[in-house]
Amino acid sequence: DVKVTQSSRYLVKRTGEKVFLECVQDMDHENMFWYRQDPGLGLRLIYFSYDVKMKEKGDIPEGYSVSREKKERFSLILESASTNQTSMYLCASRDPSNEQFFGPGTRLTVL
Amino acid sequence: DQQVKQNSPSLSVQEGRISILNCDYTNSMFDYFLWYKKYPAEGPTFLISISSIKDKNEDGRFTVFLNKSAKHLSLHIVPSQPGDSAVYFCAASAGVTGGGNKLTFGTGTQLKVEL
Repeated sequence: DVKVTQSSRYLVKRTGEKVFLECVQDMDHENMFWYRQDPGLGLRLIYFSYDVKMKEKGDIPEGYSVSREKKERFSLILESASTNQTSMYLCASRDPSNEQFFGPGTRLTVL
Repeated sequence: DQQVKQNSPSLSVQEGRISILNCDYTNSMFDYFLWYKKYPAEGPTFLISISSIKDKNEDGRFTVFLNKSAKHLSLHIVPSQPGDSAVYFCAASAGVTGGGNKLTFGTGTQLKVEL
């Protein structure tokens, strides 16, 4: 079974803090993704990566950056957290048949 | 610009009856469509998919129908069970194969199956 794990289920941070969200997958997938889920807006793509050290902006990259130093790990970074970044963050990895496997999500609250 | 739309934010169905969840898209380049199911506090899980070369795909109680001319797809669940209560997301991509193809998700429909 594909396993995608995220470092925290719940996180509370203060405005202006630097926040790291970590994601690890164990199936040697090349493609990994970060989404945020908000009520009424569905899942929106923040960034994705199709190889180590490669990254591409998704639909809402502003205020975020990413790091992919190893194939199995894809990190999302909030350089200076703001209250409008309070959300559920979901990481996914994709297999060659285009199916995406999601982690359990991190509920981030920025105060 | 919402390229994948699920116009019904919620749907309530009785156990044993059919649930029909709808999804519309605007991008004619989309050629692969997926449905995901999401329970609270969990990540979405893949349910069923369909390629644009087909108009129907069936897997047990779940059937997805694709109408390319109308840019519309639907998910049918028969018979509906209480465990089907979840948020359902429709997703689409342009290009079945190839690296980095991203999915565009709809806003989701909350399905509630009542006893």
